[in-house]
Amino acid sequence: EVQLVESGGGLVQPGRSLRLSCAASGFTFDDYAMYWVRQAPGKGLEWVAYISWNSGGIGYADSVKGRFTISRDNAEHSLYLQMNSLRAEDTALYYCAKGRVLNSRELDYWGQGTLVTVSS
Amino acid sequence: QSALTQPPSASGSPGQSVTISCTGTSRDVGYYNYVSWYQQHPGKAPKLMIYEVSKRPSGVPDRFSGSKSGNTASLTVSGLQAEDEADYYCSSYAGSNILVFGGGTKLTVL
Repeated sequence: EVQLVESGGGLVQPGRSLRLSCAASGFTFDDYAMYWVRQAPGKGLEWVAYISWNSGGIGYADSVKGRFTISRDNAEHSLYLQMNSLRAEDTALYYCAKGRVLNSRELDYWGQGTLVTVSS
Repeated sequence: QSALTQPPSASGSPGQSVTISCTGTSRDVGYYNYVSWYQQHPGKAPKLMIYEVSKRPSGVPDRFSGSKSGNTASLTVSGLQAEDEADYYCSSYAGSNILVFGGGTKLTVL
């Protein structure tokens, strides 16, 4: 059974940093692209970042480019999101999601999310 | 990276069909056949319903279908059931490892 478990969320002051993690199990992690998607309270889905199976391809939403860094450790079956210079508008539930097939553009499994609140 | 455009709401009675549109540009929906649709019930994670414009993952009822014409993709739900009431989001690949979502459509089953 595919499982994606996010962690690392919490309350953080504007301008500070936070690192999210996603522990994957139930599939061959290094065969799939991975994504971070966020959802602000009461709002829609917003794609945040993408990383290919071998970290050779990476993409960011304009809203986080230069502040967030996606990475993965295939040996540890883990996905990460380093978030720097956090802003109030980064407050959201952050989902980790798996690409359907190698480097695919659709997300077939999602975690339950970890909540990030940016506030002073 | 502009969000795709979806109507905020849609509705239909049980048994009826409803279609939700998703409008992008010639740089995303109109160029790539990587349009996906997701269903999200309140408090739950999204679920993939359609990928590559019209393909259904295993386990998704064939009442759900997808299509595309030009810069607009569509999701049709036929034979509406109460459990179809949810938020629906489209997404499209936009090149250069960029993905874009629509703003979401709240589907109400009357």
